Amino acid sequence: AQSVTQLGSHVSVSEGALVLLRCNYSSSVPPYLFWYVQYPNQGLQLLLKYTSAATLVKGINGFEAEFKKSETSFHLTKPSAHMSDAAEYFCAVSGRGGADGLTFGKGTHLIIQP
Amino acid sequence: DTAVSQTPKYLVTQMGNDKSIKCEQNLGHDTMYWYKQDSKKFLKIMFSYNNKELIINETVPNRFSPKSPDKAHLNLHINSLELGDSAVYFCASSQDGGRPDTQYFGPGTRLTVL
Repeated sequence: AQSVTQLGSHVSVSEGALVLLRCNYSSSVPPYLFWYVQYPNQGLQLLLKYTSAATLVKGINGFEAEFKKSETSFHLTKPSAHMSDAAEYFCAVSGRGGADGLTFGKGTHLIIQP
Repeated sequence: DTAVSQTPKYLVTQMGNDKSIKCEQNLGHDTMYWYKQDSKKFLKIMFSYNNKELIINETVPNRFSPKSPDKAHLNLHINSLELGDSAVYFCASSQDGGRPDTQYFGPGTRLTVL
């Protein structure tokens, strides 16, 4: 069984400040991990994914995440927040099969203060 | 061109009715999924299909029946709608290369049951 825990249902940062969204996973097999972003009234868009290659993964819009097996974590960061980053962010874990569904965390709502 | 499309975008109906949501992907993917997002934005996998074959069927009431006429389409039919079925339903697709890959999501269908 797999699960994802996202710490903090709401995170507020100032524009230009560091963004840190936390994700911890539980998986009985080496995981595939994903971060998705959802803007209001839209579908989900992939930010980045970890598929057992490099542990530091770079994604779109200046986001990156680091896979830390010892901490079972896959936290998402961005050095400098922009107003357009305000959205809902979801961490997800997948099974090993090509048709496995994603198990999502409960999401973190990112608020950017001007 | 829209990669994953869903119709309708909004669906308002009465309890007890039967309704369908259609999904089409033009990415040439082998695998398609249905997810349900509840009012607290929690996303949960419902079904996955690979080359028109059902792979995952989570604990979903049998009032929900997916149908895949070809690998580019996955429709969701819901019988005897209940208040608790109100949610946003997302279709997604991915390429099955034997391991998990990026899932591309549609814009969602907001179902409201009165």
